[in-house]
Amino acid sequence: AAGVIQSPRHLIKEKRETATLKCYPIPRHDTVYWYQQGPGQDPQFLISFYEKMQSDKGSIPDRFSAQQFSDYHSELNMSSLELGDSALYFCASSLSAEGFSSPLHFGNGTRLTVT
Amino acid sequence: AQKITQTQPGMFVQEKEAVTLDCTYDTSDPSYGLFWYKQPSSGEMIFLIYQGSYDQQNATEGRYSLNFQKARKSANLVISASQLGDSAMYFCAMREGPHGNNRLAFGKGNQVVVIP
Repeated sequence: AAGVIQSPRHLIKEKRETATLKCYPIPRHDTVYWYQQGPGQDPQFLISFYEKMQSDKGSIPDRFSAQQFSDYHSELNMSSLELGDSALYFCASSLSAEGFSSPLHFGNGTRLTVT
Repeated sequence: AQKITQTQPGMFVQEKEAVTLDCTYDTSDPSYGLFWYKQPSSGEMIFLIYQGSYDQQNATEGRYSLNFQKARKSANLVISASQLGDSAMYFCAMREGPHGNNRLAFGKGNQVVVIP
């Protein structure tokens, strides 16, 4: 079965640089989520999109932005990177028609290291 | 405020034995879903099992089962017949509200190490 695809798997950037993370959700899934997981931490919700419109916003820094495109893939853009942005970034997707029982299906994540 | 509480320290469990991971939650919404995820050291997040607030029976999925006590707001995960591959971090998560596109809020996780 198709899964959520994230790219790149690993990314190394320097402080103040920018980064773009990509996510391709499971086909037919209408909701995409972005989470940030710091070392030894639980995943923290950043932002989500439902049918290409932003549906919810969590603890996403103003330096970050995201969007979902017409083909449903999503990108997380991160600017002015800081050392504290080093984390595992997950994209997940779900099918809202399944109601609140619909699990999030996660990609393998992008491990961002800021030096 | 933390909506999901997982407070157990790291756990060691003998292979083939059962292990129970505690999860308590806090919500005033009558409609909610509870999820458990497994995160091995390789980092991926794997969905294990789901329990809905209106479900009358405890959820089961293979070797995973949920001990759902709604009045106590707890949803403990039971892993039976532990295997070495069960060594991982386990996260409890909750979705509030009736909409299928609401976010999941995660607990801090329980670390499990299965020993032969």
